[in-house]
Amino acid sequence: DAGITQSPRYKITETGRQVTLMCHQTWSHSYMFWYRQDLGHGLRLIYYSAAADITDKGEVPDGYVVSRSKTENFPLTLESATRSQTSVYFCASTPGSWDYEQYFGPGTRLTVT
Amino acid sequence: GENVEQHPSTLSVQEGDSAVIKCTYSDSASNYFPWYKQELGKRPQLIIDIRSNVGEKKDQRIAVTLNKTAKHFSLHITETQPEDSAVYFCAAPKGGSYIPTFGRGTSLIVHP
Repeated sequence: DAGITQSPRYKITETGRQVTLMCHQTWSHSYMFWYRQDLGHGLRLIYYSAAADITDKGEVPDGYVVSRSKTENFPLTLESATRSQTSVYFCASTPGSWDYEQYFGPGTRLTVT
Repeated sequence: GENVEQHPSTLSVQEGDSAVIKCTYSDSASNYFPWYKQELGKRPQLIIDIRSNVGEKKDQRIAVTLNKTAKHFSLHITETQPEDSAVYFCAAPKGGSYIPTFGRGTSLIVHP
């Protein structure tokens, strides 16, 4: 039972390149989330999804794109990476149905040079 | 939307002391208040939560209290141990949704 996984775990890319971070969960949780974590800012919500084919913006969506064609996958794409997008990215899922707990993936450390 | 303020940002205590972290929220419709612990280099994990129909919840050395009137909730850790050293995050959902807003975190340092 893998739970929730992210890949890659570490990524270095150059400014202007497109990067996709993957998130996969095996629980069939309805909700999935992408956060970025930066020192002094805590966890900021980028995008979330309530179900397959339903996505919505969070607090800091600019420069990011998401999709959710299958319940278990929620990829995050940086269309043209910038240095300000250097961060640790966490994917999370929540069952819904009165269970609000967030289950976090292990994180992806992204560096944009 | 929901606004969550968390204080203090850093808390340093001696082993065996108590630690208290406080969060305030703005949305009176929020109904679920979790606390997550994040150890260095690890993912955040839920340690305790409370729903809006309960005023206090305990689990061994940790407890959470909720004051709905004042719109604040607090994490209490008694008899702190070095392994309690971590960053702690509170959160509150927008209205009755599953979409949380997190506080900025409190770095707890427990000195042996």
